[in-house]
Amino acid sequence: GENVEQHPSTLSVQEGDSAVIKCTYSDSASNYFPWYKQELGKRPQLIIDIRSNVGEKKDQRIAVTLNKTAKHFSLHITETQPEDSAVYFCAASRSETGGFKTIFGAGTRLFVKA
Amino acid sequence: EPEVTQTPSHQVTQMGQEVILRCVPISNHLYFYWYRQILGQKVEFLVSFYNNEISEKSEIFDDQFSVERPDGSNFTLKIRSTKLEDSAMYFCASNTRRTSGEVKFYEQYFGPGTRLTVT
Repeated sequence: GENVEQHPSTLSVQEGDSAVIKCTYSDSASNYFPWYKQELGKRPQLIIDIRSNVGEKKDQRIAVTLNKTAKHFSLHITETQPEDSAVYFCAASRSETGGFKTIFGAGTRLFVKA
Repeated sequence: EPEVTQTPSHQVTQMGQEVILRCVPISNHLYFYWYRQILGQKVEFLVSFYNNEISEKSEIFDDQFSVERPDGSNFTLKIRSTKLEDSAMYFCASNTRRTSGEVKFYEQYFGPGTRLTVT
C-alpha cells in the first residue's frame, strides 16, 4: 500500500541553524505534497506545500524541494527560532475526482535550543 | 477567517458504545475528510467524502465506521461499537472546489479535533 517514510524522527538544532527533514513516498500517482506543523494538542497547520509540476518552492525561512524521479521531498527551515519547535509531518496526496487521499509521514520532532 | 469546527472537543465512552463525532466544514467547501491520530503517532487518513458519497477510504475505515452529511452544514463520523483501540484524536478537514486559483483548491483545512477516549 501507499507509504511515506520520514527522517529523522527527532531533530535538535541550535537557534539560528538550519533544519532539514526528508521524506520518501511510494505512490507514484501522488501529485501534491503538503508539510504540516503540529504543536502539542493542536491541529496540523499547513506551512508549505508543493505540487508535482514544481521542483522547489520557498516561503521566507521555509523551502521545500521535490524530486519526482526519486520520490523524495524535503523541508528546509533556515535561521531556526525556538518557536519553530514542534512536530513536523510531511504528506503525499493523490488527487481524485472526489478529493484527496493523503498519506502522512511519521513525523519529526524538532527542538530548537535557544 | 472561516474555520472548520468540531464537537465535542473530548468524548469519553465505554467499549461497545456508539459515538458520533460532529464537524462543520467551511461553508463553501465541497470535499470532506476524517483523519485520526493516536497519541504520539502520525495522522492517518480514514475517509474522503464528496457529492454525498464516500470517494475513498482506508483499511482502517471498516464496517464499524460510517460518515454522513445529514444537512447542508454538518459532516459526521459514526463508530458503531467502539473498541479500546479507537481511542485517538479525530480530525475533520475540508477543502474547496477546483478553481483557477489552484493553491486554494489544494489546501486542506483541519478542525481542532475531537479526543475520543474509550474505556
